[in-house]
Amino acid sequence: EIVMTQSPVTLSVSPGERVTLSCRASESVGTDLAWYQQKPGQAPRLLIYGASTRATGIPDRFSGSGFGTGFTLSISGLQSEDFAVYYCQHYNNWRGTFGGGTKVEVK
Amino acid sequence: EVQLLESGGGVVQPGGSLRLSCAASGFDSGFPFSAYAMNWVRQAPGKGLEWVSAISGSGATTYYADSVKGRFTISRDNSRSTLYLQINSLRVADTAVYYCAKVKSRGSGYESILDYWGQGTLVTASS
Repeated sequence: EIVMTQSPVTLSVSPGERVTLSCRASESVGTDLAWYQQKPGQAPRLLIYGASTRATGIPDRFSGSGFGTGFTLSISGLQSEDFAVYYCQHYNNWRGTFGGGTKVEVK
Repeated sequence: EVQLLESGGGVVQPGGSLRLSCAASGFDSGFPFSAYAMNWVRQAPGKGLEWVSAISGSGATTYYADSVKGRFTISRDNSRSTLYLQINSLRVADTAVYYCAKVKSRGSGYESILDYWGQGTLVTASS
């Protein structure tokens, strides 16, 4: 079973900064990797799939990269609405395995 | 736009049963509800996301996480555009918000990229 590990657990940043979140797979997943954003009391929202393709309506300040076992989600010019928890997900064979999440909080 | 609305959550004693529903709407007439695989994902209080189950568009194929296999049953009624999750032998560890989610691509649900999510329904196992 593939394990997805996200780091750091919490990231304290100021509005306007650029942040980079990390997601690591225990074995290669190619580009079968998605990123979701979840705000308190809300359902997750799809941001990125295929490791680097933005979902419909997602601003271009969000970008994803990586292949195999290492992936990153970058947010440039962090805005107030971007403070949230971010999850990576490996999807394959009808299943989805989520990472533990990274909380981006106000510094 | 696609909308998903879960219902059926509540407080149930450990060992009990309940059925969750997810009513779907807003699908294009050319690509109806039955064209898409659907998933259930849960989130324990204060914890991360856990994939639970998936079902093909026709309902013929189902998949389960090991943690729920043999106790949970996913199904769908395409005539009603509704997804279900039957939960039996409920455990304290099953306490969570349960989300239904639509798979992004039509046809195969092989890639569980989830592009629409409901607001979730809370299931609490407690005596």
